[in-house]
Formats: sequence, structure tokens, C-alpha cells
Amino acid sequence: ELKVEQNPLFLSMQEGKNYTIYCNYSTTSDRLYWYRQDPGKSLESLFVLLSNGAVKQEGRLMASLDTKARLSTLHITAAVHDLSATYFCAVEGGGADGLTFGKGTHLIIQP
Amino acid sequence: NAGVTQTPKFQVLKTGQSMTLQCAQDMNHEYMSWYRQDPGMGLRLIHYSVGAGITDQGEVPNGYNVSRSTTEDFPLRLLSAAPSQTSVYFCASRNRGVEKLFFGSGTQLSVL
Repeated sequence: ELKVEQNPLFLSMQEGKNYTIYCNYSTTSDRLYWYRQDPGKSLESLFVLLSNGAVKQEGRLMASLDTKARLSTLHITAAVHDLSATYFCAVEGGGADGLTFGKGTHLIIQP
Repeated sequence: NAGVTQTPKFQVLKTGQSMTLQCAQDMNHEYMSWYRQDPGMGLRLIHYSVGAGITDQGEVPNGYNVSRSTTEDFPLRLLSAAPSQTSVYFCASRNRGVEKLFFGSGTQLSVL
């Protein structure tokens, strides 16, 4: 059974600081996704990581994938309030043709 | 562009009632799926379809039925609603070989 674990599950940080969210998964997969969800809203795709060593950046967010370690990271640089949201990682696999999601990281960025 | 459209946005049911959550996409996507989102649980796959006439179970299929008679539509049926089915439901679609999954806006369902 594919398991996806995110940590931390809750993060409160100050504007201007850097931090990293971690996503570990239990079985081999070459596709990892990061999504953002604002309160009461749907999920917005941030990154799709398709191979070992993949790195993608969009603004203050950078995601990377290490398939050998079964680990992805989402790094936030110089956080701003607008990045406050819940961030999910999701991995393809697990026996069904769908995504297995982590529980999400609830990120609050305070001025 | 409509994308993935879910209806209704909100629904309250009594235990034992039945209903259908509607999902339609206008992107000609082969793959469609239903997830439920519960607090602290992330999203869990209920059912999915890789094309018209083909459906399969996900992680939490019990209490739900689906069908895929057309490429565009993928309704989710609750035959006899239970309080444990109180959740937010998301429909999502994509093309095979194209990685990005497009999500609908969600249906908030309460079963009393």
C-alpha cells in the first residue's frame, strides 16, 4: 500500500523567512505532484515532478524530487503572506490509476 | 473555459437518502476521478475511469457507485447516505500521458 507522509502538518512562520516542507512516500514512483489549496477552494496544481533530480521553481516556491530517497521537498524562500495556504503532495501509484495524497501542510505566514 | 464543473456546490441529506453528484468536463479528457476530502486526511480516491464505459475502485469505494457513459460526464451516486459520507467531494480529470490533474470546485455534502 502506497503511503505518503508530509511534515510538518502545520507551520506558522514569519514573512521573509525560508522554510521547507517534506514529502516522503513508501513505494517506487516517478511522478510527484504539489498542489495548493486556499480555504474553501479547490486544488491548484503547482508542480509536476517526473524524474529523479527534477527541480522546478515558480516565484518563491521551489520543488525537488529524489526518487531514490522517495523524498520531495517544497522550499519557500522569503515567505510572503499570500503564500498562506494548505500544500499537498501527491504520488502516482498504489494500485489504482489515481493519486495518493499526503495529509497536507497548513501554512500560515504572519507579517 | 468551463474546465471541470461540479454540481451542486452544497447539499444536505438525511441518512438513507440517495443522491447523485454531477461532474462534467469539456476538455475531452480520458481520465476522470472522484476524491473525498476530510479534515486531517488529505484527499482519498473513491472511484476513477480511464474512458467511457470503464470504471474502477479507488481507496474508499464503499457506499458509492459511478458510471461513465460519455467522455464528458462522470456522476457519483450515493445510494443510501450515511453520516460517515459527510465530506467535501472533488471531481478531477486529465488526459492520459498529460500529467496535470484538473480539479472541480468541490461539493460540500452533509449527511444528518
